[in-house]
Amino acid sequence: EVQLVQSGAEVKKPGESLRISCKGSGYSFTSYWISWVRQMPGKGLEWMGRIDPSDSYTNYSPSFQGHVTISTDKSISTAYLQWSSLKASDTAMYYCARTSTGFDPWGQGTLVTVSS
Amino acid sequence: DIQMTQSPSTLSASVGDRVTITCRASQSISSWLAWYQQKPGRAPKLLIYKASSLQSGVPSRFSGSGSGTEFTLTISSLQPDDFATYYCQQYTSYSPYTFGQGTKLEIK
Repeated sequence: EVQLVQSGAEVKKPGESLRISCKGSGYSFTSYWISWVRQMPGKGLEWMGRIDPSDSYTNYSPSFQGHVTISTDKSISTAYLQWSSLKASDTAMYYCARTSTGFDPWGQGTLVTVSS
Repeated sequence: DIQMTQSPSTLSASVGDRVTITCRASQSISSWLAWYQQKPGRAPKLLIYKASSLQSGVPSRFSGSGSGTEFTLTISSLQPDDFATYYCQQYTSYSPYTFGQGTKLEIK
């Protein structure tokens, strides 16, 4: 079964750093891009960026460029999304998704809460 | 960036109804369009890709059509499990991927 499993929920303070993960299984991890998608509470879906696990090439949405970093460790079939300094406005659910002709499958989501 | 506009934002319908959701792109995206279903507390699920191709395992009552800038998602006969929020998404290679704002399908 093709599956993406994300790391668990996080509660952080403003200014702290964070890295969340997305582990792929059931397929060749380096054959498909991985995208990250943000969903703020009660809002819609926003594409943040994507990475090619075969060579770590990345594309970012202009809205997120410079605010987050997407990376991957293909040796353990895992993609990452990280922040160096969180803000309260980063509070959201974050999803990873295998990217091809559409996003499928999706991870189960990681809830990030940033609060002082 | 390419903007995606869905209509309506909310749709009230009954079991058995035929419903259509529209998605318009701010510029031509050929057929690089996907549709997703999201239920509360769950990750989105891919329904349609390349504007009209049904994802494996998705019931045949779902269908997609369109090309260029105008697209539709049709549910031929609503089932209780279909009440959810639906999103379109463009995935052209020359622009950041973007989603529509969503259409919430409610029980009338």
